[in-house]
Amino acid sequence: DIQLTQSPTFLSASAGDRVTITCRASQGISSSLAWYQQKPGKAPKLLIYAASTLQSGVPSRFSGSGSGTEFTLTISSLQPEDFATYHCQQLQIYPLTFGPGTKVEIK
Amino acid sequence: EVQLVESGGGLVQPGGSLRLSCAASGFTFSDHYMDWVRQAPGKGLEWVGRARNKVNSYTTEYAASVKGRFTISRDDSKNSLYLQMNSLKTEDTALYYCVRRYGLGRMDVWGQGTTVTVSS
Repeated sequence: DIQLTQSPTFLSASAGDRVTITCRASQGISSSLAWYQQKPGKAPKLLIYAASTLQSGVPSRFSGSGSGTEFTLTISSLQPEDFATYHCQQLQIYPLTFGPGTKVEIK
Repeated sequence: EVQLVESGGGLVQPGGSLRLSCAASGFTFSDHYMDWVRQAPGKGLEWVGRARNKVNSYTTEYAASVKGRFTISRDDSKNSLYLQMNSLKTEDTALYYCVRRYGLGRMDVWGQGTTVTVSS
């Protein structure tokens, strides 16, 4: 199975900060990576797919990049509503797998 | 409005069975692959499995942790997805989400989830 690791696991930041989360795959997955945002008690919300394509309706402050084994999610200017847990997922090879998540909290 | 609504969760003893349902609305259900994803309390997301569409012969894929115990099926005439769970274990306790796949590499619509608790 493809293992995904995320760093950091936990991130404390202030509104207005630029935030970057990294997702690394145990083997190459081309650009078959998605990012989700999840708030407490809510279902995950798709932010980015195909590593860098912004899902419709998602603010442009979110961006994704990478291919192969290393990927990043960047929030250019953190807003109060962005405090949440972020998950990466590979969709290249079965079984599909998720990273462990990165929790972004208010400093 | 595109919507997925799960039901059928509950408390079941280890070794027992449960059948989850997911009712889809607002889109052409038969066109899409559909997945189940679960989340144990306080834990991350775990993909459970997938049912492909009619064009792809309704074939299925499963995570190793559930293969042989869980079966995913669908009824396109009812716009519904199902998860039959047998030989349940305590580690199957989780919130189970129904998810739509939209094209390659995009799982874009999630239900609100239904909770399964396996405990004696």
